[in-house]
Amino acid sequence: GQNIDQPTEMTATEGAIVQINCTYQTSGFNGLFWYQQHAGEAPTFLSYNVLDGLEEKGRFSSFLSRSKGYSYLLLKELQMKDSASYLCAVMDSNYQLIWGAGTKLIIKP
Amino acid sequence: GAGVSQSPSNKVTEKGKDVELRCDPISGHTALYWYRQSLGQGLEFLIYFQGNSAPDKSGLPSDRFSAERTGGSVSTLTIQRTQQEDSAVYLCASSFSRGVIYGYTFGSGTRLTVV
Repeated sequence: GQNIDQPTEMTATEGAIVQINCTYQTSGFNGLFWYQQHAGEAPTFLSYNVLDGLEEKGRFSSFLSRSKGYSYLLLKELQMKDSASYLCAVMDSNYQLIWGAGTKLIIKP
Repeated sequence: GAGVSQSPSNKVTEKGKDVELRCDPISGHTALYWYRQSLGQGLEFLIYFQGNSAPDKSGLPSDRFSAERTGGSVSTLTIQRTQQEDSAVYLCASSFSRGVIYGYTFGSGTRLTVV
């Protein structure tokens, strides 16, 4: 079956760096997405990786290794507003997005 | 419109009643998706519309659930004879084509509570 695994919850300190990992097993691969979801709000698009390597976008970077079925989202210079759930999703061969359960990130001052 | 609009934002209904949830996607987006998100859970795919093609209904959990998309734009998700396990946030999303690269844009969701 298809499976996306990511940690349930992580805690980090304001100003620090945190890495949220995601491993996947899917039927085919057409890219990996990271979304941010604040409590009670809709998920919002953060990044898309389809080739191996690191994509940097301001304080956020996303890495992909297709051979390992692995991605991470790196958040630098953490701010309190980064407290949210981070969802990893993989687009399979049918262009369906398969979603992980999300990682709840708690930022402490 | 500028974003994906969903209504109502909250709905409380009695067990056994029917409910209709509405989604107005971004103008020009050909693809429309319905998802369900229960507390602490990932997004559960329900149904997918792409242009004039037959919808992918493979995620609908039972025959109590149905959806329509009229004129390639607005979509309505109908749940008949609601059950308490139907309580969740129902999210609608739209995208260009299949959503590659740019992903999906989500609405704010409808929080359904069945009492």
